[in-house]
Amino acid sequence: GAGVSQSPSNKVTEKGKDVELRCDPISGHTALYWYRQSLGQGLEFLIYFQGNSAPDKSGLPSDRFSAERTGGSVSTLTIQRTQQEDSAVYLCASSLYFGGQYNEQFFGPGTRLTVL
Amino acid sequence: AQKVTQAQTEISVVEKEDVTLDCVYETRDTTYYLFWYKQPPSGELVFLIRRNSFDEQNEISGRYSWNFQKSTSSFNFTITASQVVDSAVYFCALYSGNTPLVFGKGTRLSVIA
Repeated sequence: GAGVSQSPSNKVTEKGKDVELRCDPISGHTALYWYRQSLGQGLEFLIYFQGNSAPDKSGLPSDRFSAERTGGSVSTLTIQRTQQEDSAVYLCASSLYFGGQYNEQFFGPGTRLTVL
Repeated sequence: AQKVTQAQTEISVVEKEDVTLDCVYETRDTTYYLFWYKQPPSGELVFLIRRNSFDEQNEISGRYSWNFQKSTSSFNFTITASQVVDSAVYFCALYSGNTPLVFGKGTRLSVIA
């Protein structure tokens, strides 16, 4: 079956522009996660969804970042007024459920964002 | 608070050598899950293993083996007879307390032919 897909794979934007990153989770997976990985660094947790609800938004770096999920499926991560420090690979993952033995997350290929 | 420490930032070995990647975790929960992920140069993280806190039995999968020791809060990963294709960044992660996965900073493994 299809894995997690993300689009675009690469995005180059100018400082100050808004960008939208899309994630299509594995069909039937109720939990969805966004991470950020800067060059050569570990994974920085941003936000997760259980269904369409985001119980924990504490990982979002600033109020320029927002995310939504509709229909328990596709999610969009929006970055407003992008800054150069937003340049990173944005990874999306999904799992069958949030929690416990179901927290085996499957990752997408990521979106590489470059802010000029 | 949950924490995962991968003290080895980078390891370089010659092909066919065995190599162990260390992972030490911290949690106050008695029920938790540990994971290892591989991130090859292509960038996509690949799930390798999940282990729950009630199962300390070590696991072997081909050239990969995992040593889970609750007494030392460690979940180490050994690759036997390493190959160039094993070159990647390996992440250890912890789930506990109904919070999102906590990842270590990763260990970059380079296997030289």
